[in-house]
Amino acid sequence: DTGVSQDPRHKITKRGQNVTFRCDPISEHNRLYWYRQTLGQGPEFLTYFQNEAQLEKSRLLSDRFSAERPKGSFSTLEIQRTEQGDSAMYLCASSPTGDPTDTQYFGPGTRLTVL
Amino acid sequence: QQQVKQSPQSLIVQKGGISIINCAYENTAFDYFPWYQQFPGKGPALLIAIRPDVSEKKEGRFTISFNKSAKQFSLHIMDSQPGDSATYFCAASISSSGSRLTFGEGTQLTVNP
Repeated sequence: DTGVSQDPRHKITKRGQNVTFRCDPISEHNRLYWYRQTLGQGPEFLTYFQNEAQLEKSRLLSDRFSAERPKGSFSTLEIQRTEQGDSAMYLCASSPTGDPTDTQYFGPGTRLTVL
Repeated sequence: QQQVKQSPQSLIVQKGGISIINCAYENTAFDYFPWYQQFPGKGPALLIAIRPDVSEKKEGRFTISFNKSAKQFSLHIMDSQPGDSATYFCAASISSSGSRLTFGEGTQLTVNP
């Protein structure tokens, strides 16, 4: 399977704990995006990387959130001191730079439940 | 702020019917308008997309109609099938600004057999 993969698929944690999610984009895709989707809503942009550089962060990304893409390949999204309001599906997407179609390919997501 | 508004929230059609979902946007800098299909427990998958230099794009049973002056675009699903039952999202982005997608609220489509 050469699509975007995310791990874990599901995470249940207690309030106050830290969690980390991983995203592996499609090989050679330079751009990597993180979105958050709550039940019944469309995905909301969190941040994006071009290679290893984090080029944009949404105001939704509070100080408790941090994302990295250390070698321009996989990315991690960490949430510190989780709150119940962090419960959502966290989606990763990738796209090749310069793709005239601008297509973003999404992974299956990581569903986070904060108790 | 909600820059892309989508309607209806839910839609029920009979097999073989036409499903129509509408979206309106505010930011005139948007230059790419995709539609995504999402099944429960899955990530969104690109269905069809359009740029504002054309007024219509058709791929199989799916058609996007685009009205630049009204800042509106719509998805038409012809000959709707039960397998089309899913949530559909319109989105918009600006190619020169990293192409981050701004999504509508979604439409839950149910096609009855």
